[in-house]
Amino acid sequence: AQSVTQPDIHITVSEGASLELRCNYSYGATPYLFWYVQSPGQGLQLLLKYFSGDTLVQGIKGFEAEFKRSQSSFNLRKPSVHWSDAAEYFCAVGGNDYKLSFGAGTTVTVRA
Amino acid sequence: EAGVTQFPSHSVIEKGQTVTLRCDPISGHDNLYWYRRVMGKEIKFLLHFVKESKQDESGMPNNRFLAERTGGTYSTLKVQPAELEDSGVYFCASSWDPGTQYFGPGTRLTVL
Repeated sequence: AQSVTQPDIHITVSEGASLELRCNYSYGATPYLFWYVQSPGQGLQLLLKYFSGDTLVQGIKGFEAEFKRSQSSFNLRKPSVHWSDAAEYFCAVGGNDYKLSFGAGTTVTVRA
Repeated sequence: EAGVTQFPSHSVIEKGQTVTLRCDPISGHDNLYWYRRVMGKEIKFLLHFVKESKQDESGMPNNRFLAERTGGTYSTLKVQPAELEDSGVYFCASSWDPGTQYFGPGTRLTVL
């Protein structure tokens, strides 16, 4: 069975500071990995995805994530956070069965 | 290009009533999915359509939920009769292939 763990329920970061959100997954085959973001009052927006190839993937809004197979991790990073990055972030895993499994989400608060 | 749209954005109903949620996928996307997030829980897969056919409905909670996709375009998800535990946010997503699912803004359902 596939599953995703996001260990941090809530993170507070200062504007301009770096951000790292953790994601660990369990999947029996080669996974497809995703990060989605949900801003207040908005739907889920795809930030980035990993299917194969380069293990460091770049996404929108200055985010990047690194796939580490040995650690079953796909952590999301941003070097300098903006107030508009305050949102809830979801890591998800899927495969050729089309079904996505999501983590519980991490809420990011940005303080001035 | 229009994204995935969902209607209504909010619905408040009494226990025992019927509610129908609608999803319009991105044009040309054969794959359509329904997911649900119950308060405080992960986003969970409900079912997957390929065109008008149900490919996977393993996540449907019980037979009070009925999903249809007539003509392979828009989809409806009917809950009849609604129970308190059905409250949550219902997301629809669509994709061209198993790789990337694009999500709609969700419908927040409250059952009183």
